[in-house]
Amino acid sequence: DSGVTQTPKHLITATGQRVTLRCSPRSGDLSVYWYQQSLDQGLQFLIQYYNGEERAKGNILERFSAQQFPDLHSELNLSSLELGDSALYFCASSVAGATTDTQYFGPGTRLTVL
Amino acid sequence: LAKTTQPISMDSYEGQEVNITCSHNNIATNDYITWYQQFPSQGPRFIIQGYKTKVTNEVASLFIPADRKSSTLSLPRVSLSDTAVYYCRPWGAGSYQLTFGKGTKLSVIP
Repeated sequence: DSGVTQTPKHLITATGQRVTLRCSPRSGDLSVYWYQQSLDQGLQFLIQYYNGEERAKGNILERFSAQQFPDLHSELNLSSLELGDSALYFCASSVAGATTDTQYFGPGTRLTVL
Repeated sequence: LAKTTQPISMDSYEGQEVNITCSHNNIATNDYITWYQQFPSQGPRFIIQGYKTKVTNEVASLFIPADRKSSTLSLPRVSLSDTAVYYCRPWGAGSYQLTFGKGTKLSVIP
């Protein structure tokens, strides 16, 4: 158990809909990262937040957005969903968000878009 | 943008040393190299990270040559519980746009 929690575990929705994924980092960690893992794309970095501020951006689509709240939990919002958005979404956290920080991954949310 | 290449799969007998090599020809100067282990239906788990030369921790060693265009993860005396997918990933400002590869599926045979 990494100490990172993600809800929900599974989510099934339809194309065009909007969903919100939630992540609670390990106690004491200030930085949160979001990743997408699909069968054909591998694991890709989406976005990083540190203490409420966006720190780094990866391959995040404009239809996706994220935020980190004062209590340090984070939410990833996915809108206008397409079939290709079906994937596992992982959240990770680290102490300070430095390049050398160890990132601890949560168990993931499996999103299925029908 | 940097890209990584690893063998798709490897088989090893229990008790053997396993070396998995990853190429990352275009790694950015300030990026580190990190290796992760992932079991089915779980998130990746950090194994080891390095910048150059050799790094060793309680579970693995990481060898990075001077040109940093590749790295080799070494797992000493693997057991059945080491059966998993192993990913290498450059990490730093030069790699945010990079997608991890599909990793190397290691199967440990009794």
